[in-house]
Amino acid sequence: GAGVSQSPSNKVTEKGKDVELRCDPISGHTALYWYRQSLGQGLEFLIYFQGNSAPDKSGLPSDRFSAERTGGSVSTLTIQRTQQEDSAVYLCASSFLDRTYEQYFGPGTRLTVT
Amino acid sequence: AQTVTQSQPEMSVQEAETVTLSCTYDTSESDYYLFWYKQPPSRQMILVIRQEAYKQQNATENRFSVNFQKAAKSFSLKISDSQLGDAAMYFCAYRSGGSGGSNYKLTFGKGTLLTVNP
Repeated sequence: GAGVSQSPSNKVTEKGKDVELRCDPISGHTALYWYRQSLGQGLEFLIYFQGNSAPDKSGLPSDRFSAERTGGSVSTLTIQRTQQEDSAVYLCASSFLDRTYEQYFGPGTRLTVT
Repeated sequence: AQTVTQSQPEMSVQEAETVTLSCTYDTSESDYYLFWYKQPPSRQMILVIRQEAYKQQNATENRFSVNFQKAAKSFSLKISDSQLGDAAMYFCAYRSGGSGGSNYKLTFGKGTLLTVNP
């Protein structure tokens, strides 16, 4: 079946602009995760969704970052007033709620802030 | 907080040979999962193998096997009969196993870049 998809694949934006990154999880997966992969910080957890609610937003690096999920499916990660340090690959993963040890990842969005 | 350390930034192996990637972790928990993920240039993270801490038997998946030493907090990945398609970045990851708490969040090491030479 279809895996996790993310769009866009690559995004170049100017410093100060807002960007939206989209994640389509595997159908039926109630749990959804965002991670960030950067040269300096490696792979780090950002946020976790159970259905449409986000019980853990502890990894969001600043209040410029927000995420939402609608209909228990698609999720959008929004970064406002982008900074150069936001340049990274943003990875989305999904899983069944009772199988969070089996996370399936998407191909990521490479964000470059110029 | 849990930490995962991969001490080998880069490794290389000849095609058809065996290579072992190292991983150590620090935790005060007794129930957890450990993983090895592969990330090829396509960027998609692929789960290679998973080990549950309460299982003494080392996990194996075809040419991939682990050496899980719980007391030493060591979790190495052995790739046998290496193939060109095994070339990728490999990440070791940890997840708490208990109910509640952060039993969904993966904590990753910095990765090991594996090159396979023909």
